[in-house]
Amino acid sequence: DSGVTQTPKHLITATGQRVTLRCSPRSGDLSVYWYQQSLDQGLQFLIQYYNGEERAKGNILERFSAQQFPDLHSELNLSSLELGDSALYFCASSVGTGSYNEQFFGPGTRLTVL
Amino acid sequence: EDQVTQSPEALRLQEGESSSLNCSYTVSGLRGLFWYRQDPGKGPEFLFTLYSAGEEKEKERLKATLTKKESFLHITAPKPEDSATYLCAVQAFRGYGGSQGNLIFGKGTKLSVKP
Repeated sequence: DSGVTQTPKHLITATGQRVTLRCSPRSGDLSVYWYQQSLDQGLQFLIQYYNGEERAKGNILERFSAQQFPDLHSELNLSSLELGDSALYFCASSVGTGSYNEQFFGPGTRLTVL
Repeated sequence: EDQVTQSPEALRLQEGESSSLNCSYTVSGLRGLFWYRQDPGKGPEFLFTLYSAGEEKEKERLKATLTKKESFLHITAPKPEDSATYLCAVQAFRGYGGSQGNLIFGKGTKLSVKP
C-alpha cells in the first residue's frame, strides 16, 4: 500500500458524459501528478500540481482539467468523453518536485467509455 | 525530445534463470532514473531511483545500474512471484528552479517466470 488513495476504482459511462476522478496523496506530500495508461501508449503524464498550483502540463486534452484543493487532494475532470478516453488513470504523489522526491502511485481508476 | 526505450518487450525465464532488462534513455539533463514494478490492473510500485552514472542499488533479487545512456535491471535467480511488468522512467530538469517533476516512462518489459 503506497498511501495514495484514488476513487472510484472503476467507472463506466457513456460517450459525451463528464466524470470526476479523485486522489488523496500520501500524508505530507505536496505534489500530485496525474498519468493515463492505455494499452498502446503506456503511461503518459497529464498534469502536475504542487501545493495547489499547476506546475507542469503534459499531453492533456483541452476536455480534461484538474485542480488541487487546500487539503491537497486533487480531482481530474474529464468531459465530452470519447471511446478513446477509456484507460487506467493513475495519481502519484511526492513530497516536493526536486531531486530525491520519489513518486508513489495510487491503485488507479479504470475508466470505460461505452 | 526526451525518450525512454525498454527491451525486450517480453521475457520468459525459468525459475532460477538470471537475466537483465534494458532501459535506454535520451534526455536533456537527467535528474533521476526510476524503476517500477507493475502487476496487472494495479498501480506502479516504486523499486529504485538512480541519480548518477556508476550508481547501483539492490533489493532482494533485483539490482539496478546506471550509465550515461542506459540502465539495467538485473534479476538474479528469479522466482514466479517476480513475474510482472517492469517500468523504467526518467525525470529531467524542467521548469523554473527545476519545479517540474513529471516522469517519462518506457513501455515496459513484461517478465514471466515459470516454476
